[in-house]
Amino acid sequence: DAEITQSPRHKITETGRQVTLACHQTWNHNNMFWYRQDLGHGLRLIHYSYGVHDTNKGEVSDGYSVSRSNTEDLPLTLESAASSQTSVYFCASSESKSGQRGNTIYFGEGSWLTVV
Amino acid sequence: DAKTTQPNSMESNEEEPVHLPCNHSTISGTDYIHWYRQLPSQGPEYVIHGLTSNVNNRMASLAIAEDRKSSTLILHRATLRDAAVYYCILGIDDKIIFGKGTRLHILP
Repeated sequence: DAEITQSPRHKITETGRQVTLACHQTWNHNNMFWYRQDLGHGLRLIHYSYGVHDTNKGEVSDGYSVSRSNTEDLPLTLESAASSQTSVYFCASSESKSGQRGNTIYFGEGSWLTVV
Repeated sequence: DAKTTQPNSMESNEEEPVHLPCNHSTISGTDYIHWYRQLPSQGPEYVIHGLTSNVNNRMASLAIAEDRKSSTLILHRATLRDAAVYYCILGIDDKIIFGKGTRLHILP
C-alpha cells in the first residue's frame, strides 16, 4: 500500500546543531508539506512544494529549509536548531495543485524533536 | 485566506450522534469544505469534504448550509475512538491552513 513515512520518529539534539527530518511518500504525489504542531498553536505550515525543484515558504519558515530533488522526498532541515523549534513535525502530501477540487491530504505519523 | 470558526471543545455521550458546527462566512464559490481529525499522538486524517451538496461516507456525514456560510460534521453514533480534535478547513491552493479545531470528548 502507498504510504508516507517520516524519520526519525524521535530525536533529541543540541542547540546550534543542524538537523534534518526525512519525509518519503510512495503515492507519487506532486504536493508535499511540512507542518509543526505546538500546544496552543495547532498545526502551522512551515514549507511546501508543488513539484520537483519547487519550494515555497509557509507561515513559520524562519530557521527551516527544504529541497525537492525528486517526487518522493521532501527533507526538512533546521540549519541551527533552537529550543523554540522543539515541536512535533508532520509531513503531508496530496495529489494535485488545486485544493479547490477537494483533494485529500495524507499525513505522516510525526517526528518528535527536542532541542536542548 | 478564508477563515473558519469552530467551538473550542464539545462533549457527547457514547453511542449518540454528534453535530460539530463550523462557520465560514467568507467562503468563496469554489472553495471546498474539508474536515480532518487528529487522534491523540497521530497525524491528522481525512474525514470528509464537500462543495455544495450534503455528503455521506463510512465515517461521517457533512451537511452544508444552502448559503454555504456554515457546515456541520455529523458523527451518527459516536464511540470512544472518535475522541479527537476535528478541523474544518477551506481548501485554498492546496496549502491547507489549519485552525485550532474542536476538541471532541466522548463520555462513556
